[in-house]
Amino acid sequence: TQLLEQSPQFLSIQEGENLTVYCNSSSVFSSLQWYRQEPGEGPVLLVTVVTGGEVKKLKRLTFQFGDARKDSSLHITAAQPGDTGLYLCAGENEYGNKLVFGAGTILRVKS
Amino acid sequence: DAGVIQSPRHEVTEMGQEVTLRCKPISGHDYLFWYRQTMMRGLELLIYFNNNVPIDDSGMPEDRFSAKMPNASFSTLKIQPSEPRDSAVYFCASSYGGAGTQYFGPGTRLLVL
Repeated sequence: TQLLEQSPQFLSIQEGENLTVYCNSSSVFSSLQWYRQEPGEGPVLLVTVVTGGEVKKLKRLTFQFGDARKDSSLHITAAQPGDTGLYLCAGENEYGNKLVFGAGTILRVKS
Repeated sequence: DAGVIQSPRHEVTEMGQEVTLRCKPISGHDYLFWYRQTMMRGLELLIYFNNNVPIDDSGMPEDRFSAKMPNASFSTLKIQPSEPRDSAVYFCASSYGGAGTQYFGPGTRLLVL
């Protein structure tokens, strides 16, 4: 069974600080997605990374896929209150028919 | 596109009652997924369809749960009879060509009293 361990579980920071969320597994994934979920809403896709070592940037968010495609990180620079939410990583299995989700990181950015 | 549409958004029912959740996937998507989200267990895959055919229902917790997809634009998840432990947020998601990039609906928040 493929598992994704996400850390930290909770993060409370001040506006302007930087942070990194990690997603780790002993399994190889075909691709990895990061989602952001706000209260009362469904997860919204932020990015998909496919190639080992790939780095993608989305404004103040930087996503990296590990060289071996077993882990990923999300780095937020100068966090804003609008970044508050639940961040979920999800790995696509080798057959391309399922996503394995991490438990999520609850981020709170205080102004 | 309107995105994935789910109804109802909220459902409150009493134990033993039948509950039906509905989903309209994004037009053109060939995969449809039903998930359940709770604080304790996170996001769990219940069942998924490919081209309207159920492929993997190993995540369905019990025989009380059933799902159908009669056509490419509609799916239902039914719980009969419902129990308090079924209380959760149920999400439908759809994708094209595989599970890699899924688009989620807003969810149905179910409370079974």
